[in-house]
Amino acid sequence: NAGVTQTPKFQVLKTGQSMTLQCAQDMNHNSMYWYRQDPGMGLRLIYYSASEGTTDKGEVPNGYNVSRLNKREFSLRLESAAPSQTSVYFCASSATGDFYGYTFGSGTRLTVV
Amino acid sequence: DQQVKQNSPSLSVQEGRISILNCDYTNSMFDYFLWYKKYPAEGPTFLISISSIKDKNEDGRFTVFLNKSAKHLSLHIVPSQPGDSAVYFCAASVVGTSYGKLTFGQGTILTVHP
Repeated sequence: NAGVTQTPKFQVLKTGQSMTLQCAQDMNHNSMYWYRQDPGMGLRLIYYSASEGTTDKGEVPNGYNVSRLNKREFSLRLESAAPSQTSVYFCASSATGDFYGYTFGSGTRLTVV
Repeated sequence: DQQVKQNSPSLSVQEGRISILNCDYTNSMFDYFLWYKKYPAEGPTFLISISSIKDKNEDGRFTVFLNKSAKHLSLHIVPSQPGDSAVYFCAASVVGTSYGKLTFGQGTILTVHP
């Protein structure tokens, strides 16, 4: 009963490096989301995918790209990491329109130096 | 433009007492509100929710109150227990739009002392 799995759990990048954060869910949910959590800012939506094959920008999309590879997987890519992208990243999924059904992964703590 | 605000970064209460966490919102289109709880090194988990057609929803020790005219909601925990110590996020959404996107507040760290 894995739910939402995020990899890696921790990562340190140098400014300018690229990386992809992976997310997979096994609940047959249609919608998936990427949030970042920063002190004093709460959780802010980066990108979301309402269903397989669609992606849309959230509140803070600059510097990120996403891919909804299939119904299970939704990846977040940083093409050229910046110190401002130091954060904790959470992936979540939900059945379409199921507001209380958000299931979050345990997060990826990313540090950009 | 923070549409959902939790103005108290932290709250400390004694075990057995009531904990009251507050949340304000500015977008009058929001019509569904939720509270999530987060422990360190874990993702947030759903706690309780309320639709804008109600002004109160109860689930065991947890009660959420909604005051639409004031655009304010609160979470009451009675009695508080040390295991309730966590970060609490309120969140809001507009039913029927944008596939369940939630807007979160900044979070309030609750510490319950034995």
